Amino acid sequence: AQSVTQLGSHVSVSEGALVLLRCNYSSSVPPYLFWYVQYPNQGLQLLLKYTTGATLVKGINGFEAEFKKSETSFHLTKPSAHMSDAAEYFCAVSEKNAGNMLTFGGGTRLMVKP
Amino acid sequence: DAMVIQNPRYQVTQFGKPVTLSCSQTLNHNVMYWYQQKSSQAPKLLFHYYDKDFNNEADTPDNFQSRRPNTSFCFLDIRSPGLGDAAMYLCATSRDTGLYEQYFGPGTRLTVT
Repeated sequence: AQSVTQLGSHVSVSEGALVLLRCNYSSSVPPYLFWYVQYPNQGLQLLLKYTTGATLVKGINGFEAEFKKSETSFHLTKPSAHMSDAAEYFCAVSEKNAGNMLTFGGGTRLMVKP
Repeated sequence: DAMVIQNPRYQVTQFGKPVTLSCSQTLNHNVMYWYQQKSSQAPKLLFHYYDKDFNNEADTPDNFQSRRPNTSFCFLDIRSPGLGDAAMYLCATSRDTGLYEQYFGPGTRLTVT
């Protein structure tokens, strides 16, 4: 069975600082990996995804993530945080053995200090 | 150019009074999903439709039902809401499952009094 762990339910950074949100997964086969962002009282929006090919994936709003199979990780980064990045971030995996449904991590709330 | 629309955005219902939440999409996607999201938690999949085929998650309570009369519309029916059913309900669509992106609506926040 697949599962997703996001280390740190809350992360606080200063504006302009590096953003690093951690995601580790367990899966019996290489899964598809996603990062979604959720602003207050809104639905989720896809930031980026990894399916196959290049392991460094670039997404919207300056975010990127790297798939590291040996570490079963898919951490999300952004070089310089902006106030508008404050939101909830969810890592998710989709695995064929699990019916291709998304399994979400618990989420990380990113706070950006001025 | 809204793609996944949920109505209403906020719904208040009384304990035990049936309520229906609606979702429509303009993407012509095959798959529609309903998620329940409680405060500070990840979305939890309740069920999904692949075209007309209904797929219920094993732990979804019988109190929750769904209808998909056509490609564009999907409804979530809560037959007898309890206080524990207060949550944000998210509808999502995707062209197919697996590697395909899910497009989420803005959600309906349900309050049970």
